[in-house]
Parts: sequence; C-alpha cells; structure tokens
Amino acid sequence: KQEVTQIPAALSVPEGENLVLNCSFTDSAIYNLQWFRQDPGKGLTSLLLIQSSQREQTSGRLNASLDKSSGRSTLYIAASQPGDSATYLCAFGSGNTGKLIFGQGTTLQVKP
Amino acid sequence: SAVISQKPSRDICQRGTSLTIQCQVDSQVTMMFWYRQQPGQSLTLIATANQGSEATYESGFVIDKFPISRPNLTFSTLTVSNMSPEDSSIYLCSVGKEVIYGYTFGSGTRLTVV
Repeated sequence: KQEVTQIPAALSVPEGENLVLNCSFTDSAIYNLQWFRQDPGKGLTSLLLIQSSQREQTSGRLNASLDKSSGRSTLYIAASQPGDSATYLCAFGSGNTGKLIFGQGTTLQVKP
Repeated sequence: SAVISQKPSRDICQRGTSLTIQCQVDSQVTMMFWYRQQPGQSLTLIATANQGSEATYESGFVIDKFPISRPNLTFSTLTVSNMSPEDSSIYLCSVGKEVIYGYTFGSGTRLTVV
C-alpha cells in the first residue's frame, strides 16, 4: 500500500523562526512530489513541484528537497511570518497509477 | 497552470437531498479528479472523471452516490446524492495534463448536511 507520512502533525513557532516540515513516502516509483498549502475551509494552493530527477526547488522563502532513495522530502520555510499559518500537505505523483497520494498534513501556526 | 472555477463555494443542505458541484477550467485538460476531505482529514480521491465516458471510482465510492459527468475537456460535475450528515466535507476538483506536470486544485466546496 502506498503511504505518505508527515511529521509533525502540528507545529507552533514564533514569528521569524526557520522551520522544516517532513514528508516520507513508501513508493519508490514516484514521478514527482508536490507541496501544497491549505487555508482553513479552502482549496489547495500548489507551492512547489519537484520531479523525481531533481534534488530541490526554491520559491521565495520556501525550499523543498527530495531524496528519492530514502523516500523523504522536506519543506524549509525561512523567516516564518503569521501569514504562513496554514496546513501544509505533501503528495507524490505515483508512477504506477498517475494519481496523487497525500499525506495527512502539518498544521503550522506562526505566532506574532 | 490551469485556472479552476468551482461552484458553489459552500452550501448547507437538508439530509436526503442532492447537491451538484461544478468544476470549470479555463483550458482543456486531460485529467480531472474529484476529492473529498472530511473534517480534520487529508484528501481522499473519489474518482477520475473521464471525458465522454463513465468515471473511474476508487474503492469505497459508487456511482449511485457520487454520479460524475464530464461532457468535455474543460468541465465536470460531481453530484452528492441522498445526503446524510456524514457527507459533510470539503469537495475539491483537481486538473492537469498528467501527473508528471503536477496537478492544480479548485477552491473547494464546503458542504454541510443538516
């Protein structure tokens, strides 16, 4: 069974801290890994997409890495802000099914 | 990436009734999916919407409960039929060319069944 695990489930940090969200997956036949942001009651916003042949992607204060051999991805958020408060979901694109397999998410709260 | 318009954004419905959710995309897309997100949970794939043919449902989801239409490459509907409070969830459509390019999500429909 394909599985995605995100650690921690919840995180609360003071504004300005750098933080790392973790995602691990069991399927080695992945096409890519996508990080999403979800605000309460809303849809998903794609943050970063890393192809299986890539090691990392950067967008502004966000950096995502991918280690396919160990089945791990991290999302690094630099200089966190209260506006970063949201749930962050990782999902890998399955090479077998062509579908996204989601983790349970990490709910982040950045306190002013 | 494609821009998705999903309607309605939210609704409160009586049990036993049905609600149809629309997903309109600003460009032709190959893949369209419908997801459910129950309160406090992650996303669960309901089905893949196939253009011009019956949707492909995931285990635990059936066409009688979640009929899906996809008449063309830019539009799809999901109906939640004979609703019960357990159907209260966020429903999301997702589109893309194929998995290697990543997928885009709509803004979601927040459904409450009373």
